[in-house]
Amino acid sequence: GNSVTQMEGPVTLSEEAFLTINCTYTATGYPSLFWYVQYPGEGLQLLLKATKADDKGSNKGFEATYRKETTSFHLEKGSVQVSDSAVYFCAPRFLSQGGKLIFGQGTELSVKP
Amino acid sequence: EADIYQTPRYLVIGTGKKITLECSQTMGHDKMYWYQQDPGMELHLIHYSYGVNSTEKGDLSSESTVSRIRTEHFPLTLESARPSHTSQYLCASSWPGREGPSYNEQFFGPGTRLTVL
Repeated sequence: GNSVTQMEGPVTLSEEAFLTINCTYTATGYPSLFWYVQYPGEGLQLLLKATKADDKGSNKGFEATYRKETTSFHLEKGSVQVSDSAVYFCAPRFLSQGGKLIFGQGTELSVKP
Repeated sequence: EADIYQTPRYLVIGTGKKITLECSQTMGHDKMYWYQQDPGMELHLIHYSYGVNSTEKGDLSSESTVSRIRTEHFPLTLESARPSHTSQYLCASSWPGREGPSYNEQFFGPGTRLTVL
């Protein structure tokens, strides 16, 4: 069946460090792929998305590329800031499941000054 | 900026009480969703709706019920709250269209943190 696996947290980095959060999925088709971010005490916000293979989503210095061959959508940022401390969710959207988002388990990122 | 609202933001109640969590959106979205977020942060879809008078159970079984009498309003009700219902509840909505910059995007409310004593 369709599923998503996300790198476990918590992840603790120093400011200006490089960030990678891994996300892989299993699917019978080709889902659209999303990264959502949840800041402390808030709801989720869309961070970036990609709807087809080789698409790159980007926003606020974050990037993720839709890799069909490895069924992955890893989130990266070259230089994290304290304000990036949040929980990050990878979420494929499978048309075969009524178009609903399937959320990964979330990865908590803590950036220290 | 998403216009989706949830009230209350925080609620502490005793066992056996009936409660309704409110969710409203002003974007005219047809699709609306309720998620339950456990302390480990994982989100589980418990209800969704594709429009007025449409409600479906989600992937995680829940004792709550929902209704969709108006497009903008998607309340969730617990007839008799129990400590096992303690959680964060997130409401979301999305545009049903197949094109445009917001295609597939779900907009989330700020959440209601429920504690049942």
